[in-house]
Amino acid sequence: AQKVTQAQTEISVVEKEDVTLDCVYETRDTTYYLFWYKQPPSGELVFLIRRNSFDEQNEISGRYSWNFQKSTSSFNFTITASQVVDSAVYFCALSDPALTGTASKLTFGTGTRLQVTL
Amino acid sequence: DADVTQTPRNRITKTGKRIMLECSQTKGHDRMYWYRQDPGLGLQLIYYSFDVKDINKGEISDGYSVSRQAQAKFSLSLESAIPNQTALYFCATSDSWSTDTQYFGPGTRLTVL
Repeated sequence: AQKVTQAQTEISVVEKEDVTLDCVYETRDTTYYLFWYKQPPSGELVFLIRRNSFDEQNEISGRYSWNFQKSTSSFNFTITASQVVDSAVYFCALSDPALTGTASKLTFGTGTRLQVTL
Repeated sequence: DADVTQTPRNRITKTGKRIMLECSQTKGHDRMYWYRQDPGLGLQLIYYSFDVKDINKGEISDGYSVSRQAQAKFSLSLESAIPNQTALYFCATSDSWSTDTQYFGPGTRLTVL
């Protein structure tokens, strides 16, 4: 069965520190998709990134970067020079089309709450 | 205007009442989903619909029902609300002709007393 583990329940950092959020997944297939979503205090869920299992290149978007390593079944998310506005709950999610028949059925981790203080 | 809207945004109701949560989207996506989020947990899938005539149960469908009135509208009903259905409910949409990435509405906070 699919599983997503976000072992860090809560992380607190001081502004400008770098922080990495861990995501480890389990799946039986070789074709799958990984996602990160952000849930700020206002409550909505914001899509950040989608990565397919054949693309192991790291992704960088501004202060955000993602490190995908199939060998360790991990898809970690790093925020460089964190800001107060980064305070949110971050969810990692997995979709396994071979098992679900579609890329859009997601299994979510339990989330990591990031608190960035001044 | 938001692409995915949910109404109401907040609702307090009593045990045994029937309640409907509504979701509308202007993204033109064919697929729609309902999730619930409980504190400290991830999102759990309640129901999903791949087109107007397709409705499927998710992980936790007991106590819920849905209706896909049109491609753009997907409603979730609690026929007889109970306190453990108190949660944050999200609607999401995706486009099977594109990346199939799910985009979420703002959420409805439901409290059942």
